[in-house]
Amino acid sequence: QITLKESGPTLVKPTQTLTLTCTFSGFSLSTSGVGVGWIRQPPGKALEWLALIFWDDDKHYSPSLNRRLIITKDTSKNQVDLTMTNMDPVDTATYYCAHYYASVFDYWGQGTLVTVSS
Amino acid sequence: EIVMTQSPATLSVSPGDRATLSCRASQSVRINLAWYQQKPGQAPRLLIYGASTRATGVPARFSGSGSGTEFTLTISSLQSEDFAVYYCQQYNNWYTFGQGTKLEIK
Repeated sequence: QITLKESGPTLVKPTQTLTLTCTFSGFSLSTSGVGVGWIRQPPGKALEWLALIFWDDDKHYSPSLNRRLIITKDTSKNQVDLTMTNMDPVDTATYYCAHYYASVFDYWGQGTLVTVSS
Repeated sequence: EIVMTQSPATLSVSPGDRATLSCRASQSVRINLAWYQQKPGQAPRLLIYGASTRATGVPARFSGSGSGTEFTLTISSLQSEDFAVYYCQQYNNWYTFGQGTKLEIK
């Protein structure tokens, strides 16, 4: 059974750096073809893909947010971190991590709401 | 960036009736298209991938079709648990989502 759970601060100030952790179980991020992605959703709005890391440490980023994002993994801990710099109120959203396989995000965490406010 | 456009924004349908949701891509995504269902306060759930393949555990009343730039999600006989927001997502060139269609009870 694949499960994922996001954790991190619920409130950050503008210009601060956000780091979120995705802790997962039921799969290994050392298995060929497997990845973990991050997707966010502002309140009442649509989904936006942010970043994706693969079993071989290949990393992909949203072109529009590329300069602000860093994704890393710790295979031994079954964790993936997402760091986003220079946070702004427009970055207020629920942040999801998701299991990725065969090009789709097939299992999602419950999400964590991050509010950016001074 | 490939832009995904869903229509209508809101669809009102009676339980037991058929619902047809549309998704258009700004350029061809071949069949690299997925559909997700999202209920209030929940994470999205994968329904369809490869434009027409149901994900594990998805009821047969859900079906997807299309290729290139035009796609359709059909729910053949709406159940109460199907009223939700539906998103299409292309994965032909990075990953972009549509703005969603809210399926509400008529």
